[in-house]
Amino acid sequence: NAGVMQNPRHLVRRRGQEARLRCSPVKGHSHVYWYRQLPEEGLKFMVYLQKENIIDESGMPKERFSAEFPKEGPSILRIQQVVRGDSAAYFCASSPTADTASNSPLHFGNGTRLTVT
Amino acid sequence: AQSVTQLDSHVSVSEGTPVLLRCNYSSSYSPSLFWYVQHPNKGLQLLLKYTSAATLVKGINGFEAEFKKSETSFHLTKPSAHMSDAAEYFCVVTILTGGGNKLTFGTGTQLKVEL
Repeated sequence: NAGVMQNPRHLVRRRGQEARLRCSPVKGHSHVYWYRQLPEEGLKFMVYLQKENIIDESGMPKERFSAEFPKEGPSILRIQQVVRGDSAAYFCASSPTADTASNSPLHFGNGTRLTVT
Repeated sequence: AQSVTQLDSHVSVSEGTPVLLRCNYSSSYSPSLFWYVQHPNKGLQLLLKYTSAATLVKGINGFEAEFKKSETSFHLTKPSAHMSDAAEYFCVVTILTGGGNKLTFGTGTQLKVEL
């Protein structure tokens, strides 16, 4: 069984370009979470999506960042007009239900490391 | 609101000696608590979880953690460290909300295991 697949593993963008990060959840999982990890810090929640719907985007910057999880295909985290401060590791996680606490903990991908030059 | 504090950013032990990684939490509700491990350039792997059942939780690779409500702690231990345990460890707290489930991560403890 494939786990959460993220690509690309590494992404280099110049300031002002767009970054598109893809996440294919575990097969059958309809709940996707995106987290960002800055150097020397823990992961910070960005956005929670359930097929075709954004449930909670309270951790995502209001400008330049967007996320989607279409009916078909992977979840996409899109960063427009990237700046150096966007350099970080972006992790995607999935679960089959909303209740990750009791029965189905989040499954994490290996992350996409974005470097903005 | 919920938060976790990992008291040590770096811990160094000798192979074969015990490991103690400390974590204190704060939560307005009954929390669920997790420990995740992250090896270099890898994703996060769940070590163990506490979800209001037994307070002593056993996880993978010989790790265990004890939930102590009176001390608001969830320290991670292992009787004997192995070289392969060298990694970053995150203590995580969450509560189930109406809009799904968000994890709150600590800042991590880097575990170094020396010969």
